[in-house]
Amino acid sequence: AQRVTQPEKLLSVFKGAPVELKCNYSYSGSPELFWYVQYSRQRLQLLLRHISRESIKGFTADLNKGETSFHLKKPFAQEEDSAMYYCAASGNTPLVFGKGTRLSVIA
Amino acid sequence: ETGVTQSPTHLIKTRGQQVTLRCSSQSGHNTVSWYQQALGQGPQFIFQYYREEENGRGNFPPRFSGLQFPNYSSELNVNALELDDSALYLCASSPSGGPFSGNTIYFGEGSWLTVV
Repeated sequence: AQRVTQPEKLLSVFKGAPVELKCNYSYSGSPELFWYVQYSRQRLQLLLRHISRESIKGFTADLNKGETSFHLKKPFAQEEDSAMYYCAASGNTPLVFGKGTRLSVIA
Repeated sequence: ETGVTQSPTHLIKTRGQQVTLRCSSQSGHNTVSWYQQALGQGPQFIFQYYREEENGRGNFPPRFSGLQFPNYSSELNVNALELDDSALYLCASSPSGGPFSGNTIYFGEGSWLTVV
């Protein structure tokens, strides 16, 4: 079955510290991978997708097919990064989301 | 350009009742999908509509049904409500093809349904 796993429910880091939000997937074929973010009182929105290979708000994510991982990273966390982050996968199928990780950046 | 809008934002229903949730897609988008997000979970795909036809369905029973209208707005109907149906229901729209095609999908703010 297609599955996306985010092992951490909550991740707390200090402002300026590096951040890594983990995501592993189990998917047949070659899925496309996404990170969605939900800031407080805002709607769920796309942060980045692996096919774009771009950095958004300082975040990057590398697809590791051998480890079936798509971890989200940022070298220096900012307070405004505090939000709920969801990893998702799709491969000619509906998006499958992980359960999400709440990132809390402490000043 | 207006984004995805959903109504109502909150509602409370009694077990066994029926509910209709509404969604207006983003301008220029002809594909609408619905997701259920239970507390502490990620969104789960319910179904997708493309040009007024259902063209994909997740693991939800038939009492979850939907419609898409010629203006691409959509409804989600749930019959015989159960306590476990309590969740945030998200509507998302996308350009032609929807989530199956790799297009980015754009979410509404959701409708909170509480079944008592």
